[in-house]
Amino acid sequence: EPEVTQTPSHQVTQMGQEVILRCVPISNHLYFYWYRQILGQKVEFLVSFYNNEISEKSEIFDDQFSVERPDGSNFTLKIRSTKLEDSAMYFCASSEGLAGHNEQFFGPGTRLTVL
Amino acid sequence: GENVEQHPSTLSVQEGDSAVIKCTYSDSASNYFPWYKQELGKRPQLIIDIRSNVGEKKDQRIAVTLNKTAKHFSLHITETQPEDSTVYFCAASSYKLIFGSGTRLLVRP
Repeated sequence: EPEVTQTPSHQVTQMGQEVILRCVPISNHLYFYWYRQILGQKVEFLVSFYNNEISEKSEIFDDQFSVERPDGSNFTLKIRSTKLEDSAMYFCASSEGLAGHNEQFFGPGTRLTVL
Repeated sequence: GENVEQHPSTLSVQEGDSAVIKCTYSDSASNYFPWYKQELGKRPQLIIDIRSNVGEKKDQRIAVTLNKTAKHFSLHITETQPEDSTVYFCAASSYKLIFGSGTRLLVRP
């Protein structure tokens, strides 16, 4: 069964450094998402991406964040200058169609630790 | 903004009893309501979902009900087992998933 994959599983970085989190969505899916989950809290929407552009973003997704689909398979989240409060689990998800009508499939997550 | 409230935050039941978790949502455009369970450090795992054109859906010991007028939806687990113990999240979606704050279910043997 196809799955969303994410790399790395754990990333440790110093405050102020740039990080890139990578995701490979399911191959025939058209909609891609990033969510984050601070330890012990709920999952929060960051951004959705369709047809090579951002379709919606949350207040959390400020100028420090960017997303890209550099090729036909990868979907990346970049944090330009990490802060301590960016420490969280970051989940990528993909869906065949719009989230309102289709199941989103989650990747295993990348745990980001900012020191 | 869009919000999903989930209650209770913790729930302890005796094995064999039923467990009910309730959610309310604010965005009237929401039309898809999935429920997830999440083990510590793992991805959310879909257990059941319901779309807005349906009022109830059942899958073995798990059922969901939806009241669109009241913007309420609920998860019902019958004949609970200790292995049902984990954290459950509801979510509501129009174009993105808005999650509830989670319910930690403990099923006592």
